[in-house]
Amino acid sequence: GENVEQHPSTLSVQEGDSAVIKCTYSDSASNYFPWYKQELGKGPQLIIDIRSNVGEKKDQRIAVTLNKTAKHFSLHITETQPEDSAVYFCAASINTNAGKSTFGDGTTLTVKP
Amino acid sequence: ETGVTQTPRHLVMGMTNKKSLKCEQHLGHNAMYWYKQSAKKPLELMFVYNFKEQTENNSVPSRFSPECPNSSHLFLHLHTLQPEDSALYLCASSQEGFTEAFFGQGTRLTVV
Repeated sequence: GENVEQHPSTLSVQEGDSAVIKCTYSDSASNYFPWYKQELGKGPQLIIDIRSNVGEKKDQRIAVTLNKTAKHFSLHITETQPEDSAVYFCAASINTNAGKSTFGDGTTLTVKP
Repeated sequence: ETGVTQTPRHLVMGMTNKKSLKCEQHLGHNAMYWYKQSAKKPLELMFVYNFKEQTENNSVPSRFSPECPNSSHLFLHLHTLQPEDSALYLCASSQEGFTEAFFGQGTRLTVV
């Protein structure tokens, strides 16, 4: 089955700096890669996703890149703000069943004001 | 508010108790899921229901018993749990063919 590894497990940045979280996956059949943000006391919420036919996707301060050959994908957050502090999860899945994802271990991001 | 509601938010139960977790989605989705989130472990998919039919059971012990009476409701029946079953149990839903899964806020379960 799919195996997703996520690094780093914790990340602390100064407000305004950029944050990068990296994931690798093992199953070359995976073609959908969502990123979730989980705030304290809440369930994960999708913040951005990318499909395997795209190399990069951007949404305001958040961007995701995908290297299908190397089976790597990364989350980039620019101009970080304290409200970006949360646990971020990467995931990989095949095709249309979005809930059947294999998740990484999570990265706890702390943005210091 | 994501449109997926879980109750109760917190549950403490003894190892001999029987309890149920409830999930309701108001999004018109046709797929629902149970996940377990433990400290220092990734989210683990437990069960998948598509159009009310269970399509996946990821080697979950029989002390966890899911029920999906209709496409809007999902239950997780618990009995004779172990302390290591203490975790955050998350329900999610999605629409077949679409990409986003919506999660509820979870039920924090403590087994004593």
